[in-house]
Amino acid sequence: GQNIDQPTEMTATEGAIVQINCTYQTSGFNGLFWYQQHAGEAPTFLSYNVLDGLEEKGRFSSFLSRSKGYSYLLLKELQMKDSASYLCAVRDGDYKLSFGAGTTVTVRA
Amino acid sequence: IAGITQAPTSQILAAGRRMTLRCTQDMRHNAMYWYRQDLGLGLRLIHYSNTAGTTGKGEVPDGYSVSRANTDDFPLTLASAVPSQTSVYFCASSDYGGAANEQFFGPGTRLTVL
Repeated sequence: GQNIDQPTEMTATEGAIVQINCTYQTSGFNGLFWYQQHAGEAPTFLSYNVLDGLEEKGRFSSFLSRSKGYSYLLLKELQMKDSASYLCAVRDGDYKLSFGAGTTVTVRA
Repeated sequence: IAGITQAPTSQILAAGRRMTLRCTQDMRHNAMYWYRQDLGLGLRLIHYSNTAGTTGKGEVPDGYSVSRANTDDFPLTLASAVPSQTSVYFCASSDYGGAANEQFFGPGTRLTVL
C-alpha cells in the first residue's frame, strides 16, 4: 500500500510563493501527480513527475526525489483563485492512484 | 457529452435501500475508477476497471459493486446503503498505461444515507 503525508492547511499572501510538501512510502512507484480541487468541484490535473528533478509549468512547479520519497508543489505569484485544496497522489505499477488527504491553501489579500 | 458525467448530482437515501450511481465518459478511455472523498481522509479508491469487461477492488470496496459492460459506462451500486457510505463519490477515467496519462474526474455525486 501507500502512505502519503502532506500538511493539512497553509495560508499565504497574494503575490507570494507557497511550497506544499508531500512525503510518501510506497510498495511500488510509477509516478507522482498533483491535482487542484476547488471547494465543491472535481479535482483537476496540475503536474506529473516520474524522474527526479523539477517540472515547471507556468506559475506552478513540481519537484520529485525518488530516493527520499519526497515531492513538493511550488505555487508562485499567488492569486486569489489559487485558494483550493492541493492533492498529492502516487501511482503504482497497475496505474492506480493513492491520494494524500490534501492541503488546503488560503490566499489572503 | 464532453468528458465525464455523473448522475445524480446529489441524493438522500434511506438506510437499507439500493442505489446505483452512474458514470459515463466519451473520451474512449480504457480505464475507469470510483473514489469516495471524506473530510480529512482524501480520495480513496473503491473499485476500478482497466478495460471493458474487467474490474478490480480498490482500498475500500466493501458494500459496493461495479460492472463494466462497455467502454463508456461504469456504474457503482450500493446493494444496501448504510450511513457510513455518506460521502462525495467521484468517477474518473484515463488511458491505461503510458507515462503522464492523468485521470480526469467527473463532477461528483453527493450521497447522504440516513
